[in-house]
Amino acid sequence: LAKTTQPISMDSYEGQEVNITCSHNNIATNDYITWYQQFPSQGPRFIIQGYKTKVTNEVASLFIPADRKSSTLSLPRVSLSDTAVYYCLDGTTGNTGKLIFGQGTTLQVKP
Amino acid sequence: SAVISQKPSRDICQRGTSLTIQCQVDSQVTMMFWYRQQPGQSLTLIATANQGSEATYESGFVIDKFPISRPNLTFSTLTVSNMSPEDSSIYLCSVVFTTNEKLFFGSGTQLSVL
Repeated sequence: LAKTTQPISMDSYEGQEVNITCSHNNIATNDYITWYQQFPSQGPRFIIQGYKTKVTNEVASLFIPADRKSSTLSLPRVSLSDTAVYYCLDGTTGNTGKLIFGQGTTLQVKP
Repeated sequence: SAVISQKPSRDICQRGTSLTIQCQVDSQVTMMFWYRQQPGQSLTLIATANQGSEATYESGFVIDKFPISRPNLTFSTLTVSNMSPEDSSIYLCSVVFTTNEKLFFGSGTQLSVL
């Protein structure tokens, strides 16, 4: 069973900021929070990873509150090419760790 | 960044036959996983491929149906045995290079069973 919960779909327009929130109600102390992006006919691609507070890279920001029960992926000024499925995961790949994918959020960016 | 070569990229197979999918990485990895993605669905973890020992299967997946090998730190195979149309999916190899690092995915194998 997936450990995370996120909206099934979201719509946005080009140039807007998009925030996708994920619930991590069963997150463990050692778990990291990671977001992936998947385009049709491709494998998922890493976007960003964090443990707590805020992480920013060249494509997105990740906000994690102190209790770590949720996370928010922020995509600044989306374009049509950001139309994809976005997955949030929590877990660890250390030793016997594994990562379970939830249902994902289908983001549709409109012109 | 790592190069993960997965082949075949797609295949059309007859019911009752078997297909072996190969995953080759250009550098050593700590973990290798096999996922399945059915049409319009999310990814489902099939198993963790363990180097030199039997794979660790998730609930609903068994070794007789999905035998997995991992003879070294850079290569693994997944066989889909005695295929039926319900096995039509995309099969994805993924790897981790260090503990708590991100997953890298191969481009997937699109399998259609007639």
